[in-house]
Amino acid sequence: EAQVTQNPRYLITVTGKKLTVTCSQNMNHEYMSWYRQDPGLGLRQIYYSMNVEVTDKGDVPEGYKVSRKEKRNFPLILESPSPNQTSLYFCASSLSPQGQVRYNEQFFGPGTRLTVL
Amino acid sequence: KQEVTQIPAALSVPEGENLVLNCSFTDSAIYNLQWFRQDPGKGLTSLLLIQSSQREQTSGRLNASLDKSSGRSTLYIAASQPGDSATYLCAVNSNYQLIWGAGTKLIIKP
Repeated sequence: EAQVTQNPRYLITVTGKKLTVTCSQNMNHEYMSWYRQDPGLGLRQIYYSMNVEVTDKGDVPEGYKVSRKEKRNFPLILESPSPNQTSLYFCASSLSPQGQVRYNEQFFGPGTRLTVL
Repeated sequence: KQEVTQIPAALSVPEGENLVLNCSFTDSAIYNLQWFRQDPGKGLTSLLLIQSSQREQTSGRLNASLDKSSGRSTLYIAASQPGDSATYLCAVNSNYQLIWGAGTKLIIKP
C-alpha cells in the first residue's frame, strides 16, 4: 500500500531533550516536506527536500533540522525542544513539486502530536 | 507573499443541503490548488487537485472550481451527509510550497 508513515504518533517530552520524528514514504517520491499545524494558524511548512541531499527552509525552520540521506526517509530533528514547539506535525511527499498533471498531488502521513513540557 | 483565506471558519447545516466552501488567495501565480479533508485526530486526505490551467474538478458529490484571475476557489458539496462532517482545508501550490488556509469546520446535522 502506497503510504507515508510517521513515528512516533504521540510524544510527550521535556524541554531540551533531543528528539527525532521519522518519516518514510514508499512511493519513490522526490519531494518531501514537514509541516506543523497549530490552532488558528493552519499548516506551516518547516522544511522541504527536492531530492536526496537537497533540503531547504520553509516558513518556520527555527529550532528544527532535517536530513535527506535516502530518498524514502526524511527525519525531523529537534535538537533542543521548547514548549513553543508543541504542535501537530505532518510529513508529506509528492512525485515532484511541480511537474505533469496528476503527478504533483501531495500525500500526507497520519501526523505526530508532540507535547514539550 | 501568498496568503490563503477560508471563509467561513465554521459552518453547520442540516443533512441533505448543498453547500459551498470558499477559499481565496492573494497571488494568482500558482501551480495548482488542492482541497483536503481532516478528521479529528487524523491526518489529511486529499479530495481534489485543480491544476492552474483547469477551471474545475469533480469527484462524486464534490466539485471544486478555480478562478485564478480573481484568486478564488470553491468546494461544492452536494446532498451533504453526516459523514461529511470534518475540517476542510485548501492549499495553494506556489513556489515549491503549499500555502494553507486555516480551514472550515463543517458540521452536518442529521
